[in-house]
Amino acid sequence: SQQGEEDPQALSIQEGENATMNCSYKTSINNLQWYRQNSGRGLVHLILIRSNEREKHSGRLRVTLDTSKKSSSLLITASRAADTASYFCATDETGTASKLTFGTGTRLQVTL
Amino acid sequence: NAGVTQTPKFQVLKTGQSMTLQCAQDMNHEYMSWYRQDPGMGLRLIHYSVGAGITDQGEVPNGYNVSRSTTEDFPLRLLSAAPSQTSVYFCASSWGAGWREKLFFGSGTQLSVL
Repeated sequence: SQQGEEDPQALSIQEGENATMNCSYKTSINNLQWYRQNSGRGLVHLILIRSNEREKHSGRLRVTLDTSKKSSSLLITASRAADTASYFCATDETGTASKLTFGTGTRLQVTL
Repeated sequence: NAGVTQTPKFQVLKTGQSMTLQCAQDMNHEYMSWYRQDPGMGLRLIHYSVGAGITDQGEVPNGYNVSRSTTEDFPLRLLSAAPSQTSVYFCASSWGAGWREKLFFGSGTQLSVL
């Protein structure tokens, strides 16, 4: 079964607006990561947040982590058309052998 | 650096055929892995390797074989293709100590099994 579940499955906004997507997971983690996938391409690492961190920023990205609720959110501020992509969370579960577990993704469409 | 290179980009097979998906990285990464991506399923781990000569199974290994004879290459073999193996396949790599913190992905191989 999937560890991470993103919400919403799809999101459509206009350029300049903020985009928020959420990830819920089931077990204890060492860290949680967000990746972006442009259509027809591989995934690209965006940002990592460790289990002892609550918030992290990178450029227009803001990630929060609530380990008590087993959830994370990714905020993209001032969205651009180039942000159109699918976004995946990935969790490094404690006690597992050598894998990251990916969620099902949120498809973001940013229109002009 | 080319990063992670996957070949071919597209492949059509008939049921029962075998083939090898190639993956090569030029970053001297110890960790390499194969994922498959299916609609609504996210990415699922097939096999992974933590170094040359060391491989292990992931979440969905059945029907696939791997080997790791060099640090650079990690081919994925489909022994007898089935329609259920129609998917997009991604190879990913990372360095040893930090592999769980950032994966580098290839651009994928889209496989159709008829």
